[in-house]
Amino acid sequence: GAGVSQSPRYKVAKRGQDVALRCDPISGHVSLFWYQQALGQGPEFLTYFQNEAQLDKSGLPSDRFFAERPEGSVSTLKIQRTQQEDSAVYLCASSLLFRTGADTEAFFGQGTRLTVV
Amino acid sequence: AQKITQTQPGMFVQEKEAVTLDCTYDTSDPSYGLFWYKQPSSGEMIFLIYQGSYDQQNATEGRYSLNFQKARKSANLVISASQLGDSAMYFCAMREGPLGGSQGNLIFGKGTKLSVKP
Repeated sequence: GAGVSQSPRYKVAKRGQDVALRCDPISGHVSLFWYQQALGQGPEFLTYFQNEAQLDKSGLPSDRFFAERPEGSVSTLKIQRTQQEDSAVYLCASSLLFRTGADTEAFFGQGTRLTVV
Repeated sequence: AQKITQTQPGMFVQEKEAVTLDCTYDTSDPSYGLFWYKQPSSGEMIFLIYQGSYDQQNATEGRYSLNFQKARKSANLVISASQLGDSAMYFCAMREGPLGGSQGNLIFGKGTKLSVKP
C-alpha cells in the first residue's frame, strides 16, 4: 500500500510481558516518528529517526522503551516488562526530509492499540 | 505551560453549517508551523491544513480554512458546509523552528470532538 502501515492493530499484553510494535513507513520517507496517544489525549512525541539514525529519544518515558530502524525503513518500538500505564495507542508517522524554510506534512499510520492487563 | 490549547472538548454542528474549532499556541520561536489533523474512529491521523508562521495569507484547502491571527497566537480551523463524515476528533499541532523542535516532531493539543447532526 501507499500509506504508513502499522502492525498489529491491536495488542493485549499481560503485565510484565515484552511487546514489539512494527511500523512500515511510506517508501522513500527519511523521517520517522513514534507517538504515544493515551485515551482522550493528543499524541505525544516519543522518538525520531532520520534514516537509521535515532536523532531524538527524549520522549521515551522510561528505559523500558526502545526503538530501532536498522535499515532506514521499517521501525520497531519495543516495550519491555509492560505496565498498565503503557496502555495507549502508539502512532507512527513518516515524512520526507524537509529543507530549511519548508515544511512537509507527516503521514500517520492507523496506530497500534496496546492494552496491558 | 501548554504549548497548544484547544478549549472545546466537544462541539456540535448542524449538517451544511460552518463550524470553527479553536486553537491557541505558545512559542517564542519566530519560525513555526501549525497543522490541523482529523482523527476518525478508525484511529489514523489525517492531515487537513498547514499554516507557516511567515505565511501572509490564511491557508485554505477545500472546505477547510485556517483563521491565523499571529498577534493573538491563534490558529482556528473553519469547516464550511459540514458533512456527516466530518464527525471526528480534530487536533491542532505545532512544529517549532525551520527544522522543527527535535528535528520536526509535532506538539499536539488535547483535541476537539466534532459531532455533525443531520
